[in-house]
Amino acid sequence: GIQVEQSPPDLILQEGANSTLRCNFSDSVNNLQWFHQNPWGQLINLFYIPSGTKQNGRLSATTVATERYSLLYISSSQTTDSGVYFCAVEITHRGSTLGRLYFGRGTQLTVWP
Amino acid sequence: NAGVTQTPKFRVLKTGQSMTLLCAQDMNHEYMYWYRQDPGMGLRLIHYSVGEGTTAKGEVPDGYNVSRLKKQNFLLGLESAAPSQTSVYFCASSYLDRGYEQYFGPGTRLTVT
Repeated sequence: GIQVEQSPPDLILQEGANSTLRCNFSDSVNNLQWFHQNPWGQLINLFYIPSGTKQNGRLSATTVATERYSLLYISSSQTTDSGVYFCAVEITHRGSTLGRLYFGRGTQLTVWP
Repeated sequence: NAGVTQTPKFRVLKTGQSMTLLCAQDMNHEYMYWYRQDPGMGLRLIHYSVGEGTTAKGEVPDGYNVSRLKKQNFLLGLESAAPSQTSVYFCASSYLDRGYEQYFGPGTRLTVT
C-alpha cells in the first residue's frame, strides 16, 4: 500500500529556533499538501506543493517529486506554531489520479516561550 | 464565503443509535470527501464523491453510508453506531481530482458509548 512517513514524530523547540520537518512517500504524486492542525483541532492549509519550492512568511516548503520527499521549514518559531503538522499526498495510479489524499501520522511540534 | 462547514460540532451517541453528519461547501467544488481522525493518526478516507449523485468507497468505508443529492452537500450516515466509530470526522472539498487542493471543514467530534 501507499506509505507516507513523517519525521520526526515529535519536536520540541524554544521560541526563535528553526526546524525542518520531512515527509517521504512511496509513489508518484499528483498533489502534496502540508497542513497544520492547531490545538483546537482545526486543519489549516499551509502549502499545496506537488513539486518545487514555495514560501509563505516564516514557512517554506520544498518537494522533490523524483526523489519522493518533501520538506517543511519553519524559521524563527513562535508558540503559535505549536500543533501537529501533516503531510498528505494524492497518488498517481496507472497514469491517473485516484482522487484521494493519504496522510502521514504527523509531527507534533511544541514551541516553548 | 463560509468555505466548508460541518454540522453538528459535537455529538454523543449510544451504541446502536443512528445519526447523519452534514457537510456543506459554497465553493462550487465537484469533489467532496469524508475522513476520520483517530488519536495519534493522520486522517483516513471513508467515502468520497466526484459529483452530484455519485459516491465511492475510501480506505475505511465499513459501517458508513453517504449521499450527495446536491452538489454543495455531502451527508455521512451511521446506521448503527459502534464504539469503534468514536472519532473526529472531517469533511473536505476540491475542484477536481487532478491535483487540486483540498479544503477542510472544522470537524465533528463523535463519541459512541
